Amino acid sequence: GQNIDQPTEMTATEGAIVQINCTYQTSGFNGLFWYQQHAGEAPTFLSYNVLDGLEEKGRFSSFLSRSKGYSYLLLKELQMKDSASYLCAVKGYSTLTFGKGTMLLVSP
Amino acid sequence: DSGVTQTPKHLITATGQRVTLRCSPRSGDLSVYWYQQSLDQGLQFLIQYYNGEERAKGNILERFSAQQFPDLHSELNLSSLELGDSALYFCASSASGTLDGTQYFGPGTRLTVL
Repeated sequence: GQNIDQPTEMTATEGAIVQINCTYQTSGFNGLFWYQQHAGEAPTFLSYNVLDGLEEKGRFSSFLSRSKGYSYLLLKELQMKDSASYLCAVKGYSTLTFGKGTMLLVSP
Repeated sequence: DSGVTQTPKHLITATGQRVTLRCSPRSGDLSVYWYQQSLDQGLQFLIQYYNGEERAKGNILERFSAQQFPDLHSELNLSSLELGDSALYFCASSASGTLDGTQYFGPGTRLTVL
């Protein structure tokens, strides 16, 4: 089975940098996704990591270490609109397991 | 707008009843995924169909079933409904059949079981 841990809540200030961690224990690993979900809306895809290392996409970057069962999502130059829930999801052999999500609150 | 449509937007029903949720994927996408999101369980992957065939299965209850039709739209059938089935049900689609591809989520159907 899969077990995924993320912090429940985080707060940060507009313009700052925040790192959201995700640790996982899995019987099979084939990739890790990050999704953003605003309250009452559908999740939107942010990133997908299969190999170790950092993937950068504009203000957002995602890192993966398969040996440590660890990933993080880095958000730079935070904006108020980044206030949302961030979901980490692990792809197994034939299924997808989501963490409970990290609620990020960005304040002025 | 992701291009994925779901109907209805809201559904209120009673325990023991059966409902059908409908999803139309983005044009050209062959995979459809169903998810359930509740406050206590978070987002749970239920099932994936690819070009009409079941491809992957998650935590889907036996009371729930899905299918994908030749025109690629999909339906999720929920029967013998219980209070705990109240949740937001999302459908997503992707071009890939292997869970690797970017998934585009529909707006969801909010199911309330009274």
